[in-house]
Amino acid sequence: GQQLNQSPQSMFIQEGEDVSMNCTSSSIFNTWLWYKQDPGEGPVLLIALYKAGELTSNGRLTAQFGITRKDSFLNISASIPSDVGIYFCAGLVTGSARQLTFGSGTQLTVLP
Amino acid sequence: DSGVTQTPKHLITATGQRVTLRCSPRSGDLSVYWYQQSLDQGLQFLIQYYNGEERAKGNILERFSAQQFPDLHSELNLSSLELGDSALYFCASTPGSLSYEQYFGPGTRLTVT
Repeated sequence: GQQLNQSPQSMFIQEGEDVSMNCTSSSIFNTWLWYKQDPGEGPVLLIALYKAGELTSNGRLTAQFGITRKDSFLNISASIPSDVGIYFCAGLVTGSARQLTFGSGTQLTVLP
Repeated sequence: DSGVTQTPKHLITATGQRVTLRCSPRSGDLSVYWYQQSLDQGLQFLIQYYNGEERAKGNILERFSAQQFPDLHSELNLSSLELGDSALYFCASTPGSLSYEQYFGPGTRLTVT
């Protein structure tokens, strides 16, 4: 099956700093999704990308669908304490079933 | 709040037992997906139902089964439970056959002792 490599595994940053994380795959994906998960909660959809090269923003979050269709990036600008959590990328190959393949997650800690 | 509801929130049971997890999708959503999240394996897709019919299977054990009812709620049945089945179980739903954006419920934390 498809494998997603997400990096970094964890990040410790100062409040106000920008953050960047990425996912790469050996397979081509038609859709990239970015989710955030708080402890004990379900993943919350942040951004969805459907087209190679697409750049989409959601407030301080910006995500890009890589041109090769094998990678995606998420940037968070001017981090704040509530940005703490685990960020997951997820990729989808169009087919008869919409099975998401998830990355292993990036644990973000924002220091005051 | 995603609009997807799951019950119970927490479940503690013994090895060998059987449990049922329940999920209600967002209003109007026809597809329900089940995922298992454990510390060492991340989010793993288990099974998908669309409008009452099984659509896809992932890494679901034979001891596990699911169904989707006419009112579109879904149940995940886990039997002959083992310690390794302890995990968070999430369901997600999508609006229809053409939408890829899955909305997750709050999850059920299953602890097998």
